[in-house]
Amino acid sequence: KAGVTQTPRYLIKTRGQQVTLSCSPISGHRSVSWYQQTPGQGLQFLFEYFSETQRNKGNFPGRFSGRQFSNSRSEMNVSTLELGDSALYLCASSDPTGGPRDTQYFGPGTRLTVL
Amino acid sequence: AQKITQTQPGMFVQEKEAVTLDCTYDTSDPSYGLFWYKQPSSGEMIFLIYQGSYDQQNATEGRYSLNFQKARKSANLVISASQLGDSAMYFCAMREGRGGANSKLTFGKGITLSVRP
Repeated sequence: KAGVTQTPRYLIKTRGQQVTLSCSPISGHRSVSWYQQTPGQGLQFLFEYFSETQRNKGNFPGRFSGRQFSNSRSEMNVSTLELGDSALYLCASSDPTGGPRDTQYFGPGTRLTVL
Repeated sequence: AQKITQTQPGMFVQEKEAVTLDCTYDTSDPSYGLFWYKQPSSGEMIFLIYQGSYDQQNATEGRYSLNFQKARKSANLVISASQLGDSAMYFCAMREGRGGANSKLTFGKGITLSVRP
């Protein structure tokens, strides 16, 4: 099976702009989660989508939003970019059958630089 | 309070030797899962091993094993026969609840492992 894919891999934007990141999960996985990784804050959970619905949300401002399509692909949007949004954005997919394992598999990430 | 604590700032190990990476956790939920991931410099998080709170035995996956001490709330990763390719950042993570309705992972700060030839 193909792994989780994320596009683009690298992105440079300026303050005030908006950006959209894309994530395609492993085939058959219906849950997609997004994480932000920075040197200062480490890995932080942004949100999770399951069957096109946001199921969980982390502690991020409303400038961060996402959605999931019927084919389980997900997009994440950040509006009015700030310098502090520079980070590696990781997407993970899982097949939450309700079992305890529910392992998340990560994509290669999108490295966003805000100038 | 931190839910996942990884205090070792950096670890060094000689090739072919074993190394233990420490992880302690904090939760009041009786049902939880503990995960270890490896992140090479390329950035991708690679799943290594899983331990469930109700699992009776310590998890093993090839050269990776987990020293799970539930009463002490620790889940240390043991890598046997280290290889140069094991040099990376290692993260311990926890999911509270039985999964299904909650896939959110809480991560520790990570530990840098360097394998010396």
